[in-house]
Amino acid sequence: QSVLTQPPSASGTPGQRVTISCSGSSSNIGSNTVNWYQQLPGTAPKLLIYSNSQRPSGVPDRFSGSKSGTSASLAISGLQSDDEADYYCAAWDDSLNGWVFGGGTKLTVL
Amino acid sequence: EVQLLESGGGLVQPGGSLRLSCAASGFTFSSYAMSWVRQAPGKGLEWVSAISGSGGSTFYVDSVEGRFTISRDNSKNTLYLQINSLRAEDTAVYYCAKTSGFGVVGYFFDNWGQGTLVTVSS
Repeated sequence: QSVLTQPPSASGTPGQRVTISCSGSSSNIGSNTVNWYQQLPGTAPKLLIYSNSQRPSGVPDRFSGSKSGTSASLAISGLQSDDEADYYCAAWDDSLNGWVFGGGTKLTVL
Repeated sequence: EVQLLESGGGLVQPGGSLRLSCAASGFTFSSYAMSWVRQAPGKGLEWVSAISGSGGSTFYVDSVEGRFTISRDNSKNTLYLQINSLRAEDTAVYYCAKTSGFGVVGYFFDNWGQGTLVTVSS
C-alpha cells in the first residue's frame, strides 16, 4: 500500500488528453512539492515534472503538472504512442522523514 | 553529462550481505544529496535511503532501518549502500539517484542510474 494514491491504469487514443491523479495527505503533498517520473518499459525512471508544475529541459510542453491541497495531477495532451509508460508521483513526507511514491499508473495508448 | 553507474548486485542467500556502489561523474558530487530507490519485480518505486552532500545526514525507510547503511566517499565520487540481513522482500533493482540539491527536503531526483539487481534466494 503506497502512501500516495494513484490509479493503477489510464488510457487514451492518439491526440487525446489524459490526466493522472495523485492523492496524499497534509504531511506530504499538503506541505511539500510534488514531482513526477516517467518510466518507459525496461528503462530507469526519468524526471518528468518537478516542483508541482516545472518541466526539465527537453520535456515537451504536452506534459503539465498541478497541485491543489493534498492532491496533484499530471496531464498529457496530444497523446502519442511513445507516451506509453508507467508514471509515478513522489513527494517528501514530513512525518515519515523520507520520500514517498505513488503506486504508479500504467498509461496505455490505444 | 551526469552519469551514475551502479554495481555490486547479485544473488545472495537470505541473511546475507552485499555492498552496492554507484560511481558518479559529470557533476560536483559533494554538492548534491544522493539516494537509493528500489523496484521489486513488477512493482512500483520505493525510496530506500538518502544521504546529504557532506554525508552528515542520512535517512532511511522504516523497513530497512538498522539493516541498510548508506555512505559516500566524496574523494572517489562514489555512493554506497551496505545491505545486511537480506530478506526475500529485498529482491529488487536498486537505482542510484542524484538529488537536485545539497539537502533532501524540497528537492527531487533529477538523474538516475540504470540500476543493479539484487536477488535474495536460497
